[in-house]
Amino acid sequence: ETGVTQTPRHLVMGMTNKKSLKCEQHLGHNAMYWYKQSAKKPLELMFVYSLEERVENNSVPSRFSPECPNSSHLFLHLHTLQPEDSALYLCASSQLSLSGSANNEQFFGPGTRLTVL
Amino acid sequence: AQKVTQAQTEISVVEKEDVTLDCVYETRDTTYYLFWYKQPPSGELVFLIRRNSFDEQNEISGRYSWNFQKSTSSFNFTITASQVVDSAVYFCALSTGGYQKVTFGTGTKLQVIP
Repeated sequence: ETGVTQTPRHLVMGMTNKKSLKCEQHLGHNAMYWYKQSAKKPLELMFVYSLEERVENNSVPSRFSPECPNSSHLFLHLHTLQPEDSALYLCASSQLSLSGSANNEQFFGPGTRLTVL
Repeated sequence: AQKVTQAQTEISVVEKEDVTLDCVYETRDTTYYLFWYKQPPSGELVFLIRRNSFDEQNEISGRYSWNFQKSTSSFNFTITASQVVDSAVYFCALSTGGYQKVTFGTGTKLQVIP
């Protein structure tokens, strides 16, 4: 496979469920990202991992828990979500420069469409 | 603080018409990067172009062209002779060098009618 893949593509869950979103990048990049895309809102950056270390957490509620076991894989663990968490969750990767600057483009996966009932 | 404004929420054009998508940005940094991404109905954002703040040359790639003007803080995107396959949501983004400082606009939904 090439590029950035995400599974599942669609997920429906109740507020008491626990589920995980998976992202895998086959591009050899050193940074991975989780974004939330809600209707009529800008993409919201949730988490950034650089070299498997979390470097950014944009005030995301603790019911979202990321995990980056290696440079190619990124997970988003979900538990006790709320209906307002329904959105498209996008994973992306990029190659950061040695200084950590984000001057390179990001490559996105197709997203997971999450519905919380 | 940095900000990206895409004032056009939705645009409809008839096939073969030209269309320009506007992007206005705000930043206090002197070094920054601008991007355009396309998001087709399938969902994944596709990278189209990157521009750094020191390169104001306009760029043309096939039917796509970009007009970068620092004086007006704009980075507009023009599609010439639009096609139905151009129908998508287009996002403009700004990066000021730190991975936590990539800011996306709200996107412009383009519908090309056959």
